[in-house]
Amino acid sequence: NAGVMQNPRHLVRRRGQEARLRCSPMKGHSHVYWYRQLPEEGLKFMVYLQKENIIDESGMPKERFSAEFPKEGPSILRIQQVVRGDSAAYFCASSTVGVGGYTFGSGTRLTVV
Amino acid sequence: EDKVVQSPLSLVVHEGDTVTLNCSYEVTNFRSLLWYKQEKKAPTFLFMLTSSGIEKKSGRLSSILDKKELSSILNITATQTGDSAIYLCAVAQVEAGNMLTFGGGTRLMVKP
Repeated sequence: NAGVMQNPRHLVRRRGQEARLRCSPMKGHSHVYWYRQLPEEGLKFMVYLQKENIIDESGMPKERFSAEFPKEGPSILRIQQVVRGDSAAYFCASSTVGVGGYTFGSGTRLTVV
Repeated sequence: EDKVVQSPLSLVVHEGDTVTLNCSYEVTNFRSLLWYKQEKKAPTFLFMLTSSGIEKKSGRLSSILDKKELSSILNITATQTGDSAIYLCAVAQVEAGNMLTFGGGTRLMVKP
């Protein structure tokens, strides 16, 4: 069981470029969550998805950010026209229904230069 | 606004010491409280607490929830350098899907 796989581990983008972060949940997990961790801060919820559905996106910035979890393939967090303030670690987690303890991936560290 | 507050922000101890980390919360429709350990990579799950007063234990780590005081503590006895990490507390709420509200973490450093 490979766990939650995120890639890339590190991503550097120039201001104005697009960032695409990928997350493959643990085998058997159908619920995916994205969290953002700014330097010296805790994890902040962004979005909760199931296959082909966004269940809760209350933590997503209204502009430039989008997420999907297609029927086939990984979940994608997409950030358009990145700005320096988007620099953070983005963690994906997965779970089965009704289980409170997520399994987290190792994160993608996005640096915007 | 729902919030989870952890204290202290950081802590430096020597190997063999015992530490107590605190987490307090103010959330609507509390369901459970979770502790995670974050080293350089992914947060790893430690405990999930739903009932007040029942201690959960795993080796040198233990945790307990006090619903009356809206708080939890995480104890680590006989600390080792490998315990150095950020310890995160999070709260799950009823009817919030499986979303967690995290505290800011306590950074623990254990010196040899």
